[in-house]
Amino acid sequence: NAGVTQTPKFQVLKTGQSMTLQCAQDMNHNSMYWYRQDPGMGLRLIYYSASEGTTDKGEVPNGYNVSRLNKREFSLRLESAAPSQTSVYFCASGGYSNQPQHFGDGTRLSIL
Amino acid sequence: GQQVMQIPQYQHVQEGEDFTTYCNSSTTLSNIQWYKQRPGGHPVFLIQLVKSGEVKKQKRLTFQFGEAKKNSSLHITATQTTDVGTYFCAGFSGTYKYIFGTGTRLKVLA
Repeated sequence: NAGVTQTPKFQVLKTGQSMTLQCAQDMNHNSMYWYRQDPGMGLRLIYYSASEGTTDKGEVPNGYNVSRLNKREFSLRLESAAPSQTSVYFCASGGYSNQPQHFGDGTRLSIL
Repeated sequence: GQQVMQIPQYQHVQEGEDFTTYCNSSTTLSNIQWYKQRPGGHPVFLIQLVKSGEVKKQKRLTFQFGEAKKNSSLHITATQTTDVGTYFCAGFSGTYKYIFGTGTRLKVLA
């Protein structure tokens, strides 16, 4: 049972490049989330999807877009990467709104 | 907007000593969750508290939810090296969004 799978695990980009982070879960969860984690900043919510077909902004959505492709998959896109987006990105999924979140292993993204 | 603060930011303890981290929200919470993140790893769910004044225990870990549902604490008795990591609280804001605290990084010295 894989849980939440994120790809890639590591990525280095140049400023201005674009890329998509992929996330898939096999727990039949309705809700999915994207967070970024910076040193000393905890986890900050970028976007979330309460159910298939819906997405909403979190605390720090600027510079990102998301797609809830189906119930299993939730992708995060950086259209024009900036050094300030260097971070560790975690995808998570959960059941109903008050259920635990299950996290993927993260994507370590560096933007030069 | 809603804020969730955690103190202390860092804590170094000798193995066998106790450890406590505190979580404070600017607003009343529906529930609060606690997560542990090992160095280089991802957050792992520990427990959820829902009721005012609730206390839950998991072996050496004791979790409390304040009477006003605006604060919470995690206490570890007799720390072990396996307790090393960052402990996060996450407050539920009522619209599918959890607001995570800044975390407390625990280092246990053998």
